[in-house]
Amino acid sequence: DQQVKQNSPSLSVQEGRISILNCDYTNSMFDYFLWYKKYPAEGPTFLISISSIKDKNEDGRFTVFLNKSAKHLSLHIVPSQPGDSAVYFCAANRSGGYQKVTFGTGTKLQVIP
Amino acid sequence: KAGVTQTPRYLIKTRGQQVTLSCSPISGHRSVSWYQQTPGQGLQFLFEYFSETQRNKGNFPGRFSGRQFSNSRSEMNVSTLELGDSALYLCASSTTGTYTDTQYFGPGTRLTVL
Repeated sequence: DQQVKQNSPSLSVQEGRISILNCDYTNSMFDYFLWYKKYPAEGPTFLISISSIKDKNEDGRFTVFLNKSAKHLSLHIVPSQPGDSAVYFCAANRSGGYQKVTFGTGTKLQVIP
Repeated sequence: KAGVTQTPRYLIKTRGQQVTLSCSPISGHRSVSWYQQTPGQGLQFLFEYFSETQRNKGNFPGRFSGRQFSNSRSEMNVSTLELGDSALYLCASSTTGTYTDTQYFGPGTRLTVL
């Protein structure tokens, strides 16, 4: 049972445009969400996180939006750059506990120069 | 500061064998988590260790086990290998392993079971 879902396995975007990656979750106990980026032959790298007490968090070109009622979050990358081409994983955790992160299946982003 | 290292990077085993994978966390990190990545399944949590104690465990059979040493280095073991165990095994470390703690991942060990 996939509790964190990324329904788009891939996404292509022109350089300079906005990339929007989507993620849905089913477990209402999740209240801390993260995005990771993964290049081939490397481990995932933490990008940005958001707590359920917020609906938006920004870090430079990256913004994560959380819609708790819809159990949906999205990652916006503006402007997209060729170096952003990677697999992006959405992940979720429960507050108050230790690391037991549930990951989505990933979305492969290709930014076309 | 050196990153998370995993050895070996690649392994080929046959069904029924057992395998041990090693992870050295970032210096000062005491929490180590293990994940299995397979196509179509994403990363699935195996277990998390802190100060030599397993604090959390994912939904994997008992063939998957792990341990952590006093220097925070961790090993995971898979016994009686099955074809479906072929995957990328990732290790991640963090300072205390609380839910807001940033995890730093190693490059993974690619296990192929023939």
